[in-house]
Amino acid sequence: QKEVEQNSGPLSVPEGAIASLNCTYSDRGSQSFFWYRQYSGKSPELIMFIYSNGDKEDGRFTAQLNKASQYVSLLIRDSQPSDSATYLCAVTGGYSTLTFGKGTMLLVSP
Amino acid sequence: EAQVTQNPRYLITVTGKKLTVTCSQNMNHEYMSWYRQDPGLGLRQIYYSMNVEVTDKGDVPEGYKVSRKEKRNFPLILESPSPNQTSLYFCASSITPGQGAKETQYFGPGTRLLVL
Repeated sequence: QKEVEQNSGPLSVPEGAIASLNCTYSDRGSQSFFWYRQYSGKSPELIMFIYSNGDKEDGRFTAQLNKASQYVSLLIRDSQPSDSATYLCAVTGGYSTLTFGKGTMLLVSP
Repeated sequence: EAQVTQNPRYLITVTGKKLTVTCSQNMNHEYMSWYRQDPGLGLRQIYYSMNVEVTDKGDVPEGYKVSRKEKRNFPLILESPSPNQTSLYFCASSITPGQGAKETQYFGPGTRLLVL
Protein backbone atom coordinates (compact mmCIF):
# COMPACT_ATOMS: atom_id res chain seq x y z
CA GLN A 1 0.00 0.00 0.00
CA LYS A 2 1.51 3.27 -1.12
CA GLU A 3 1.49 5.91 1.58
CA VAL A 4 1.91 9.63 1.49
CA GLU A 5 2.36 11.30 4.85
CA GLN A 6 1.79 14.91 5.75
CA ASN A 7 1.55 16.71 9.05
CA SER A 8 -2.11 17.64 9.44
CA GLY A 9 -1.30 20.98 11.06
CA PRO A 10 -2.51 23.56 11.34
CA LEU A 11 0.68 25.31 10.42
CA SER A 12 0.37 28.91 11.51
CA VAL A 13 2.59 31.61 10.03
CA PRO A 14 2.36 35.40 10.06
CA GLU A 15 1.75 37.32 6.87
CA GLY A 16 4.95 37.82 4.91
CA ALA A 17 6.71 34.80 6.39
CA ILE A 18 7.85 31.64 4.62
CA ALA A 19 5.59 28.64 5.03
CA SER A 20 7.23 25.23 4.72
CA LEU A 21 5.06 22.22 4.00
CA ASN A 22 6.49 18.73 4.02
CA CYS A 23 5.55 15.36 2.61
CA THR A 24 7.09 11.90 2.69
CA TYR A 25 6.16 8.93 0.55
CA SER A 26 6.69 5.22 0.85
CA ASP A 27 7.01 4.00 -2.74
CA ARG A 28 10.55 4.37 -4.05
CA GLY A 29 9.24 3.89 -7.57
CA SER A 30 7.25 7.12 -7.42
CA GLN A 31 8.03 9.36 -10.34
CA SER A 32 5.84 12.44 -10.27
CA PHE A 33 4.94 14.66 -7.35
CA PHE A 34 2.21 17.24 -7.12
CA TRP A 35 1.12 19.94 -4.75
CA TYR A 36 -2.53 20.90 -4.72
CA ARG A 37 -4.26 23.62 -2.75
CA GLN A 38 -7.78 23.12 -1.49
CA TYR A 39 -9.98 25.74 0.07
CA SER A 40 -12.67 24.49 2.40
CA GLY A 41 -15.52 22.90 0.45
CA LYS A 42 -13.81 23.49 -2.88
CA SER A 43 -12.00 21.22 -5.29
CA PRO A 44 -8.24 20.77 -5.25
CA GLU A 45 -6.33 23.00 -7.63
CA LEU A 46 -2.82 22.34 -8.86
CA ILE A 47 -0.03 24.55 -7.57
CA MET A 48 2.91 22.78 -9.12
CA PHE A 49 4.41 19.45 -10.02
CA ILE A 50 7.97 18.23 -9.86
CA TYR A 51 9.66 15.04 -11.05
CA SER A 52 13.39 15.74 -10.90
CA ASN A 53 15.49 15.98 -7.78
CA GLY A 54 16.15 19.53 -6.70
CA ASP A 55 14.14 22.71 -6.62
CA LYS A 56 11.47 24.06 -8.91
CA GLU A 57 10.28 27.62 -8.52
CA ASP A 58 7.08 29.23 -9.71
CA GLY A 59 6.44 32.72 -8.41
CA ARG A 60 6.19 32.60 -4.61
CA PHE A 61 6.16 28.81 -4.61
CA THR A 62 9.14 26.46 -4.58
CA ALA A 63 8.83 22.69 -4.67
CA GLN A 64 11.77 20.63 -3.48
CA LEU A 65 12.26 16.95 -4.20
CA ASN A 66 14.72 14.52 -2.67
CA LYS A 67 14.08 11.03 -4.01
CA ALA A 68 16.83 9.45 -1.92
CA SER A 69 15.09 10.61 1.24
CA GLN A 70 11.62 10.13 -0.28
CA TYR A 71 10.76 13.64 0.66
CA VAL A 72 9.04 16.48 -1.12
CA SER A 73 8.33 19.93 0.23
CA LEU A 74 6.60 23.14 -0.74
CA LEU A 75 7.84 26.56 0.31
CA ILE A 76 5.56 29.55 0.10
CA ARG A 77 7.38 32.86 0.31
CA ASP A 78 5.74 36.09 1.42
CA SER A 79 2.72 34.19 2.71
CA GLN A 80 -0.61 35.93 2.36
CA PRO A 81 -3.89 35.39 4.23
CA SER A 82 -5.31 34.17 0.91
CA ASP A 83 -2.83 31.28 1.07
CA SER A 84 -4.74 29.90 4.04
CA ALA A 85 -5.96 26.53 2.81
CA THR A 86 -5.21 22.84 2.99
CA TYR A 87 -2.24 21.74 0.91
CA LEU A 88 -2.32 18.25 -0.54
CA CYS A 89 0.74 16.33 -1.59
CA ALA A 90 0.14 13.71 -4.29
CA VAL A 91 2.43 11.08 -5.71
CA THR A 92 2.27 8.82 -8.73
CA GLY A 93 4.51 6.27 -10.34
CA GLY A 94 4.03 6.46 -14.06
CA TYR A 95 0.90 4.53 -15.01
CA SER A 96 -0.18 3.85 -11.45
CA THR A 97 -2.83 5.82 -9.66
CA LEU A 98 -2.34 9.10 -7.88
CA THR A 99 -2.05 8.76 -4.12
CA PHE A 100 -2.83 11.76 -1.96
CA GLY A 101 -1.68 12.67 1.49
CA LYS A 102 -4.32 13.83 3.95
CA GLY A 103 -3.17 17.40 3.66
CA THR A 104 -1.68 20.10 5.83
CA MET A 105 -3.82 23.03 6.89
CA LEU A 106 -2.02 26.35 6.57
CA LEU A 107 -3.20 29.44 8.44
CA VAL A 108 -1.65 32.79 7.54
CA SER A 109 -2.49 35.49 10.03
CA PRO A 110 -2.57 39.19 9.01
CA GLU B 1 -13.43 27.03 -21.14
CA ALA B 2 -11.56 23.84 -20.28
CA GLN B 3 -13.32 22.21 -17.38
CA VAL B 4 -14.59 19.16 -15.59
CA THR B 5 -18.25 19.32 -14.69
CA GLN B 6 -20.21 17.24 -12.23
CA ASN B 7 -23.91 16.91 -11.61
CA PRO B 8 -25.64 17.17 -9.30
CA ARG B 9 -23.58 19.37 -6.98
CA TYR B 10 -25.67 18.45 -3.96
CA LEU B 11 -27.80 15.40 -3.42
CA ILE B 12 -29.82 14.06 -0.52
CA THR B 13 -31.16 10.56 -0.95
CA VAL B 14 -32.31 7.57 1.05
CA THR B 15 -30.70 4.21 1.60
CA GLY B 16 -31.11 1.85 -1.33
CA LYS B 17 -32.27 4.33 -3.95
CA LYS B 18 -30.01 4.04 -6.98
CA LEU B 19 -28.30 7.20 -8.09
CA THR B 20 -25.85 8.38 -10.71
CA VAL B 21 -23.42 11.26 -10.48
CA THR B 22 -22.32 12.46 -13.87
CA CYS B 23 -18.87 13.70 -14.80
CA SER B 24 -17.88 15.27 -18.08
CA GLN B 25 -14.69 16.86 -19.36
CA ASN B 26 -14.15 18.91 -22.50
CA MET B 27 -10.35 18.60 -22.68
CA ASN B 28 -10.13 15.33 -24.61
CA HIS B 29 -8.40 13.75 -21.64
CA GLU B 30 -7.77 10.02 -21.70
CA TYR B 31 -7.60 9.49 -17.95
CA MET B 32 -10.54 10.06 -15.61
CA SER B 33 -10.97 9.23 -11.98
CA TRP B 34 -13.40 9.39 -9.09
CA TYR B 35 -12.44 10.26 -5.51
CA ARG B 36 -14.27 10.59 -2.28
CA GLN B 37 -13.11 12.91 0.46
CA ASP B 38 -13.94 12.39 4.10
CA PRO B 39 -12.73 14.29 7.18
CA GLY B 40 -9.56 12.77 8.53
CA LEU B 41 -9.26 10.33 5.63
CA GLY B 42 -8.28 12.64 2.81
CA LEU B 43 -8.91 11.96 -0.85
CA ARG B 44 -9.34 8.31 -1.70
CA GLN B 45 -9.66 6.96 -5.19
CA ILE B 46 -12.79 4.97 -6.02
CA TYR B 47 -12.34 4.04 -9.69
CA TYR B 48 -10.30 5.26 -12.59
CA SER B 49 -10.33 4.89 -16.34
CA MET B 50 -7.34 4.92 -18.66
CA ASN B 51 -9.49 5.34 -21.76
CA VAL B 52 -12.82 4.40 -23.30
CA GLU B 53 -14.03 1.00 -22.08
CA VAL B 54 -11.01 0.67 -19.75
CA THR B 55 -11.80 1.02 -16.05
CA ASP B 56 -10.17 -0.25 -12.89
CA LYS B 57 -10.69 -0.20 -9.15
CA GLY B 58 -9.04 2.31 -6.92
CA ASP B 59 -8.62 2.06 -3.17
CA VAL B 60 -12.29 2.11 -2.13
CA PRO B 61 -14.44 0.65 -4.94
CA GLU B 62 -16.98 -1.26 -2.84
CA GLY B 63 -20.54 -0.09 -3.44
CA TYR B 64 -19.71 1.85 -6.61
CA LYS B 65 -19.82 1.22 -10.33
CA VAL B 66 -18.51 3.23 -13.25
CA SER B 67 -18.63 3.12 -17.01
CA ARG B 68 -16.65 4.82 -19.77
CA LYS B 69 -18.57 4.55 -22.99
CA GLU B 70 -17.42 7.91 -24.30
CA LYS B 71 -14.13 9.66 -23.78
CA ARG B 72 -15.67 12.76 -22.21
CA ASN B 73 -18.03 11.08 -19.72
CA PHE B 74 -17.35 9.00 -16.65
CA PRO B 75 -20.47 8.53 -14.51
CA LEU B 76 -20.34 7.16 -10.96
CA ILE B 77 -23.18 4.84 -10.06
CA LEU B 78 -24.33 3.92 -6.57
CA GLU B 79 -26.70 1.00 -7.07
CA SER B 80 -27.81 0.80 -3.44
CA PRO B 81 -26.46 3.75 -1.49
CA SER B 82 -25.82 3.41 2.21
CA PRO B 83 -25.17 6.05 4.88
CA ASN B 84 -21.43 5.27 4.88
CA GLN B 85 -21.31 6.60 1.32
CA THR B 86 -22.18 10.05 2.57
CA SER B 87 -19.21 12.04 1.38
CA LEU B 88 -17.83 14.72 -0.91
CA TYR B 89 -17.11 13.25 -4.34
CA PHE B 90 -14.71 14.60 -6.92
CA CYS B 91 -14.22 13.65 -10.52
CA ALA B 92 -10.86 14.40 -12.09
CA SER B 93 -9.21 14.02 -15.48
CA SER B 94 -5.74 14.22 -16.97
CA ILE B 95 -4.30 14.11 -20.47
CA THR B 96 -2.83 10.68 -19.95
CA PRO B 97 -1.17 8.74 -17.18
CA GLY B 98 2.55 9.10 -17.53
CA GLN B 99 5.33 11.26 -16.27
CA GLY B 100 5.13 14.90 -15.46
CA ALA B 101 2.70 17.50 -16.69
CA LYS B 102 0.46 15.09 -18.60
CA GLU B 103 -0.44 13.40 -15.34
CA THR B 104 -1.74 16.61 -13.79
CA GLN B 105 -5.28 15.95 -12.71
CA TYR B 106 -7.95 18.61 -13.03
CA PHE B 107 -10.82 18.35 -10.64
CA GLY B 108 -14.51 18.96 -11.00
CA PRO B 109 -16.33 21.16 -8.46
CA GLY B 110 -17.44 18.24 -6.30
CA THR B 111 -20.73 16.58 -5.41
CA ARG B 112 -21.83 16.57 -1.81
CA LEU B 113 -23.91 13.46 -1.14
CA LEU B 114 -25.97 12.72 1.94
CA VAL B 115 -27.50 9.27 2.28
CA LEU B 116 -30.17 9.01 4.95
